[in-house]
Amino acid sequence: NSKVIQTPRYLVKGQGQKAKMRCIPEKGHPVVFWYQQNKNNEFKFLINFQNQEVLQQIDMTEKRFSAECPSNSPCSLEIQSSEAGDSALYLCASSRTGNSDYTFGSGTRLLVI
Amino acid sequence: GDQVEQSPSALSLHEGTDSALRCNFTTTMRSVQWFRQNSRGSLISLFYLASGTKENGRLKSAFDSKERRYSTLHIRDAQLEDSGTYFCAAVNTGNYKYVFGAGTRLKVIA
Repeated sequence: NSKVIQTPRYLVKGQGQKAKMRCIPEKGHPVVFWYQQNKNNEFKFLINFQNQEVLQQIDMTEKRFSAECPSNSPCSLEIQSSEAGDSALYLCASSRTGNSDYTFGSGTRLLVI
Repeated sequence: GDQVEQSPSALSLHEGTDSALRCNFTTTMRSVQWFRQNSRGSLISLFYLASGTKENGRLKSAFDSKERRYSTLHIRDAQLEDSGTYFCAAVNTGNYKYVFGAGTRLKVIA
């Protein structure tokens, strides 16, 4: 069982709806990453945090997603208005530093219909 | 941007045989991590290397310490439970985010 906990496991939303997923990083891991894996198994980096601060994010995330990692609460990633192309596996990972190994959660599989 | 070229894209092995996967990097990388993804989507970490080699049971991984431009994953005596999709992911100096290879779909057959 992964030490990174992601919920929910599955999420089904209609186009235009908000889609929110959560991640509890491994204890002692202040660096958190979100990746999107599409049906072709391609990984796309979305955003990363160190503690509560955003380190890097791509344009799509900045424009269409809302993400945060508040202290003492799960990290979250929310699509503000879901599109069919957002259907994918969303993976959260955490790391002790930006230079050490990642631990991944089991993912949230989003289907936008 | 940084690219990771992973090969082969698919592999079918008979039980008991050996094989190797490889990832080439278009630039010098600081570290590499190998994962196996199961049918439920969970990414299981196999190895993390900043240099040299590591071995765990029937699996062994190496990271080119000189040029830092490739890594390999060797599977010895393949078993049915080794089936899955294997990914390498690497990060270069000054960057926090991994770049992933396209994956190797491994099927071990009896």
